[in-house]
Amino acid sequence: RKEVEQDPGPFNVPEGATVAFNCTYSNSASQSFFWYRQDCRKEPKLLMSVYSSGNEDGRFTAQLNRASQYISLLIRDSKLSDSATYLCVVNVLSNSKLTFGKGITLSVRP
Amino acid sequence: GAGVSQSPRYKVAKRGQDVALRCDPISGHVSLFWYQQALGQGPEFLTYFQNEAQLDKSGLPSDRFFAERPEGSVSTLKIQRTQQEDSAVYLCASSPSDPEFRPQHFGDGTRLSIL
Repeated sequence: RKEVEQDPGPFNVPEGATVAFNCTYSNSASQSFFWYRQDCRKEPKLLMSVYSSGNEDGRFTAQLNRASQYISLLIRDSKLSDSATYLCVVNVLSNSKLTFGKGITLSVRP
Repeated sequence: GAGVSQSPRYKVAKRGQDVALRCDPISGHVSLFWYQQALGQGPEFLTYFQNEAQLDKSGLPSDRFFAERPEGSVSTLKIQRTQQEDSAVYLCASSPSDPEFRPQHFGDGTRLSIL
């Protein structure tokens, strides 16, 4: 079993749609959680950190459930510019490395 | 300020050749990471430096892979006797030295193709 598993994709949605991505992680010692965004042929960029209380940044909402070892990302009112690959990322502080999921590709169509 | 800089941006080599990939982290960032990203996959950890010390090299796939950061700033990832399966994007990331974790900032990567 991979350490971080994401929903298979791709997602193809119309502008304005709400889309949700899910992710599970296997290491219960994981302490930090993130969503990164990666555009085609570009480097991953931090989209947002994920906290147990849930957090929101504009149209983006991230949730963490430590008991279920589950992370989610909700994108509301999707825009064409949201088209990208979204990577679920966890970190175990004791060794600092980031562990990435495979990523899920979102295409938003006009 | 300047971000993480990697060079070359693209590298094509024949199987069996040695290659060297360079990473210049954000100024003042103590931690430096190398990742390998195969097509259609998420990045996979290779190795981690804190200053000049290589604290974790558990992700290096074979002894053909070697990384160094002799002065605690610029790092070089060297791959000897390259194989076709080494073809991937090699990403470098850096983060500050705070005891509390700070997100890693990635460079554009080096796209390596082995013929």
